[in-house]
Amino acid sequence: DGGITQSPKYLFRKEGQNVTLSCEQNLNHDAMYWYRQDPGQGLRLIYYSQIVNDFQKGDIAEGYSVSREKKESFPLTVTSAQKNPTAFYLCASGRITNTEAFFGQGTRLTVV
Amino acid sequence: KQEVTQIPAALSVPEGENLVLNCSFTDSAIYNLQWFRQDPGKGLTSLLLIQSSQREQTSGRLNASLDKSSGRSTLYIAASQPGDSATYLCAVQSNDYKLSFGAGTTVTVRA
Repeated sequence: DGGITQSPKYLFRKEGQNVTLSCEQNLNHDAMYWYRQDPGQGLRLIYYSQIVNDFQKGDIAEGYSVSREKKESFPLTVTSAQKNPTAFYLCASGRITNTEAFFGQGTRLTVV
Repeated sequence: KQEVTQIPAALSVPEGENLVLNCSFTDSAIYNLQWFRQDPGKGLTSLLLIQSSQREQTSGRLNASLDKSSGRSTLYIAASQPGDSATYLCAVQSNDYKLSFGAGTTVTVRA
């Protein structure tokens, strides 16, 4: 099946640890996005990428890092510099313009 | 920076009533606008995509309009059903390829 897959569904992080969230798509999409959603709020853009080996900061990039070594994959690392990482993280992909964006089912990250 | 606003933040209607959800954006230089549905704890499901050259799109009971010059879009859901209860989000893709979201409208349809 074509689609976008995020893993894991739930993730627990200790204070001071880095964690990496996986996002894989087999839709042959060029663009990929990472968003953060806090309770009762909309989606805030962390990073986005339109092509392999290139990505841009979104509105809340501090404390996060990404890579885009393959078209299919856009992993997000939440570093220890992110002071309030507990949130729901959503990955999306799409063609660069004028087509629908498709979302994964999200990863819920909790700091313990 | 593109700012997207959705009004109202929440809406409760009896079953059968039509729903009207509003979305406004500050920068009219957009490629497209998309409406999504989100169920609690889930990802987003795409409902409708309107390209910047279009005025409206329809899918079943859903109709979305776009007035790019005034920075507004409206999503109409006809004859609402309890299964329509969810949060509805609009997103605009700007000319820098960023996809910016509003905070959403949470809809409750009472049986």
